[in-house]
Amino acid sequence: AQSVAQPEDQVNVAEGNPLTVKCTYSVSGNPYLFWYVQYPNRGLQFLLKYITGDNLVKGSYGFEAEFNKSQTSFHLKKPSALVSDSALYFCANQGGKLIFGQGTELSVKP
Amino acid sequence: NAGVMQNPRHLVRRRGQEARLRCSPMKGHSHVYWYRQLPEEGLKFMVYLQKENIIDESGMPKERFSAEFPKEGPSILRIQQVVRGDSAAYFCASSPTPSNPANYGYTFGSGTRLTVV
Repeated sequence: AQSVAQPEDQVNVAEGNPLTVKCTYSVSGNPYLFWYVQYPNRGLQFLLKYITGDNLVKGSYGFEAEFNKSQTSFHLKKPSALVSDSALYFCANQGGKLIFGQGTELSVKP
Repeated sequence: NAGVMQNPRHLVRRRGQEARLRCSPMKGHSHVYWYRQLPEEGLKFMVYLQKENIIDESGMPKERFSAEFPKEGPSILRIQQVVRGDSAAYFCASSPTPSNPANYGYTFGSGTRLTVV
């Protein structure tokens, strides 16, 4: 069985500060991990993925994520948050099908 | 190259009616996935289809829900005798053959927002 957890329902950050959105996983076999972002009333947009290789993955809009096998984590990060980053973020693992975490609402205030 | 196209964007149905949601995958993609997003909840997998085949329907409710992906035309998610609890956003995603890890990850449509009144 596989599962993905996002322990925080909401993350609040001031504009210009670094942001972290947490994700942990539990999978049998190799994890294939993804981050997606959803803006209000829109579909999901792909941000980045980890399949193999470097543990630090760089993606769209200045986001990056670090794969940590020992901690079974894949936290999403950005050095300097923008108000326009405010959205719903989903972590997911692909094992035949994408299984999503419950989502984290990111709010960036000016 | 158009992305994943879902229609309608918004659908209103009265209780007891049928809802038909359509999804046209990206060109060259032969795998389609349906997800449901209930208010204040995450995305829940419903069904995975290839052309003319249901591969995994483990997330589909046992009654009233069905899905198909015919040889020609879009994939259809059909909900019979809708109830208020069916109100949700339904997202379709497509991918090329997933056997190659480089192909992992889906392209999502903008969703169909179903409201049952």
